[in-house]
Amino acid sequence: GDSVTQMEGPVTLSEEAFLTINCTYTATGYPSLFWYVQYPGEGLQLLLKATKADDKGSNKGFEATYRKETTSFHLEKGSVQVSDSAVYFCALRDGNNRLAFGKGNQVVVIP
Amino acid sequence: GAGVSQSPSNKVTEKGKDVELRCDPISGHTALYWYRQSLGQGLEFLIYFQGNSAPDKSGLPSDRFSAERTGGSVSTLTIQRTQQEDSAVYLCASSHLRAGFYGYTFGSGTRLTVV
Repeated sequence: GDSVTQMEGPVTLSEEAFLTINCTYTATGYPSLFWYVQYPGEGLQLLLKATKADDKGSNKGFEATYRKETTSFHLEKGSVQVSDSAVYFCALRDGNNRLAFGKGNQVVVIP
Repeated sequence: GAGVSQSPSNKVTEKGKDVELRCDPISGHTALYWYRQSLGQGLEFLIYFQGNSAPDKSGLPSDRFSAERTGGSVSTLTIQRTQQEDSAVYLCASSHLRAGFYGYTFGSGTRLTVV
């Protein structure tokens, strides 16, 4: 079935560093793709989305581009802040309007 | 309501007891989803409702788990004879499919601890 794979392990970086979290997907068609964020003690929130190839989703300084040729949707931010510390989940919408999530990446930004 | 509301926010129960978890979706959202979030396991799909019917129950891990939705609104997830491996955060989400799919709105979850 359709699935999403995120890079393994937590990500620890210094404030103002560049952040990349890798996400690749496997799907039979061209699914919509999403990034969700979960801040400490809070529920999941939609961060950004892209619905077709070459679309770029962006929000709060984060960006991700839907790459059909590499089946990827990597999340990037040019200069992270301590407040960006959270767990980030990549997800795709499957043919049953269900979201399939990756396992998530804990991001810790050190001042 | 303004958001997806789940209750209780925390539940500690003894092994073997039954528990009920409640979800109030956003008013007018026709689709409702239950997920389970376990440490190190990401988000595991449990069940999906469109209106009051559940076209996809494929994620329910055993016959101890069941869910219902009434009036196209409130949903209850019931776990019978709880086991320690049921300990997790249970998340509910809703979406409005008629307007196109813009992702889910999640509740804050119910943290279930089975002791």
